[in-house]
Amino acid sequence: QKEVEQDPGPLSVPEGAIVSLNCTYSNSAFQYFMWYRQYSRKGPELLMYTYSSGNKEDGRFTAQVDKSSKYISLFIRDSQPSDSATYLCAMNQAGTALIFGKGTTLSVSS
Amino acid sequence: DTAVSQTPKYLVTQMGNDKSIKCEQNLGHDTMYWYKQDSKKFLKIMFSYNNKELIINETVPNRFSPKSPDKAHLNLHINSLELGDSAVYFCASRQGDRENTEAFFGQGTRLTVV
Repeated sequence: QKEVEQDPGPLSVPEGAIVSLNCTYSNSAFQYFMWYRQYSRKGPELLMYTYSSGNKEDGRFTAQVDKSSKYISLFIRDSQPSDSATYLCAMNQAGTALIFGKGTTLSVSS
Repeated sequence: DTAVSQTPKYLVTQMGNDKSIKCEQNLGHDTMYWYKQDSKKFLKIMFSYNNKELIINETVPNRFSPKSPDKAHLNLHINSLELGDSAVYFCASRQGDRENTEAFFGQGTRLTVV
């Protein structure tokens, strides 16, 4: 089993839809969970991060972590065409590099 | 000012050639990385340097050799290029390697081996 699993999609939704992106992981030592967004032909950029279990909200974006299930989610409300990008979950332990999921490519049509 | 910059942005070369990609960061970070992103967008760590010392060296062919002349620079040299080396290579930097520090990425170098 890979350390971080993420369904690559692609995922196509109409504008205004609620989007749910998910990752599972195997290493119970992970404590910080990040979501990066990558636009076409650009480098990934940090969207938000969450520590341990719980929710974190930032505008239309909500990140959730369920450590008991080793499952993290990113929800996008009222999705916009500008949200069209690849979303990568990432996590690591202290002293190691970030490990990324395969990324989910999202397309929001107007 | 660009935080993490890579050159070149595009690189097309023939099999068997040797090429280098350069990376510079002006964020004052002490840790730098090379990642490889394949055609399916999977971003895989290759190397990690902390204060010019190699910390992580994932299972990467010996044809790939990173070099860090100082904390702000991490270059990647590739010998005897193969078709399978075609990918986008990203340089990234962080301050330290604690779990909660953000990694900043360059814009990527799109390498095509023909």
